[in-house]
Amino acid sequence: GQSLEQPSEVTAVEGAIVQINCTYQTSGFYGLSWYQQHDGGAPTFLSYNGLDGLEETGRFSSFLSRSDSYGYLLLQELQMKDSASYFCAVRAYTDKLIFGTGTRLQVFP
Amino acid sequence: EPEVTQTPSHQVTQMGQEVILRCVPISNHLYFYWYRQILGQKVEFLVSFYNNEISEKSEIFDDQFSVERPDGSNFTLKIRSTKLEDSAMYFCASKEGDLYNEQFFGPGTRLTVL
Repeated sequence: GQSLEQPSEVTAVEGAIVQINCTYQTSGFYGLSWYQQHDGGAPTFLSYNGLDGLEETGRFSSFLSRSDSYGYLLLQELQMKDSASYFCAVRAYTDKLIFGTGTRLQVFP
Repeated sequence: EPEVTQTPSHQVTQMGQEVILRCVPISNHLYFYWYRQILGQKVEFLVSFYNNEISEKSEIFDDQFSVERPDGSNFTLKIRSTKLEDSAMYFCASKEGDLYNEQFFGPGTRLTVL
């Protein structure tokens, strides 16, 4: 089977740093993406890791370890608007995205 | 900034009826997808489409489902005979090319089957 596991919920305060982990088990693997989804909204692309290591995009960074089938999304200088659900998604060899269970992030003032 | 658009935003239908969900992908994109998300659950892949044919479909995408690109701009998902369990948010997505990793998602169509 194919599975991507994430914590169901994370809470933090404004200005803090939070890490959302993702472990995956899929039959094919090309890379790991992260998407943000606000309530009632569409998934919005945040980052992609095709190789091991850290990718940084502004306040957001993403990390991948292919040997550990593990990745994480790091959000720094948290803002209220970062409150949303975050999904990791494996890009399989066939190009489809296989989404994780999602992590609901709540940022408090 | 170019974006994927979807219509309608909300569709209510009776069980057994046919529905067509419409999408206009970003104009220079070549790869198209449909995903669905049942309320409170994860996003699930339905089908991918490239060069006017289906590239891959999931187990969910049975004979009741079909996709079409009727012209150069629209991409549609048809459900022939809707079931209660088809109630979900349906997202269309597109991607520019094979070397790109970002799939751009539309705002979704919320389908409610009564």
